[in-house]
Amino acid sequence: DVKVTQSSRYLVKRTGEKVFLECVQDMDHENMFWYRQDPGLGLRLIYFSYDVKMKEKGDIPEGYSVSREKKERFSLILESASTNQTSMYLCASSPGLSPSGANVLTFGAGSRLTVL
Amino acid sequence: GDSVTQMEGPVTLSEEAFLTINCTYTATGYPSLFWYVQYPGEGLQLLLKATKADDKGSNKGFEATYRKETTSFHLEKGSVQVSDSAVYFCAQTAPGYSTLTFGKGTMLLVSP
Repeated sequence: DVKVTQSSRYLVKRTGEKVFLECVQDMDHENMFWYRQDPGLGLRLIYFSYDVKMKEKGDIPEGYSVSREKKERFSLILESASTNQTSMYLCASSPGLSPSGANVLTFGAGSRLTVL
Repeated sequence: GDSVTQMEGPVTLSEEAFLTINCTYTATGYPSLFWYVQYPGEGLQLLLKATKADDKGSNKGFEATYRKETTSFHLEKGSVQVSDSAVYFCAQTAPGYSTLTFGKGTMLLVSP
């Protein structure tokens, strides 16, 4: 089975701190994604990457950046954390596009970040 | 733009009751459609999918049929169990795209 591992399940940070959220997948997937999940808002795409060193903005990239130096690892960076970035962050990966377009994502367990 | 709308929860049912969670989508083309489930404390996992009109996805007793004429993909189960308590997300992806657009999620609570 594909496994997507997020290094931290729970983090507490202070306003202004730099925060790194790490994600590793073990099935050689091309695509990796970062979503945030908030009550009443569902999942919103922050950034995604379809290849090493490639990145694309999602729907809510402001205040975030990403890094993909190796195929298996996709990092989300909060340069200066703010309280409105308190949320659950979900990493996912998927293979390259299938002809049917049925791009199935495999998710990690999530990282719950609290910014004080 | 493309979007997914699903019924608000929580949906509260007794064990063995029939479940329907409504999902409709807007898309410019013919998307693939998905239901994901999130159990407490876990990430999302794929429940079922359908890639073209009239396809029926099924898994673990859940079913959903891709209805192009009504742009819907409603999730159904004939007899729910307490262990089905979770948040259910409807999602779509456009052909040729890697990203999924999710609905806001519907919480299901099943009591014994």
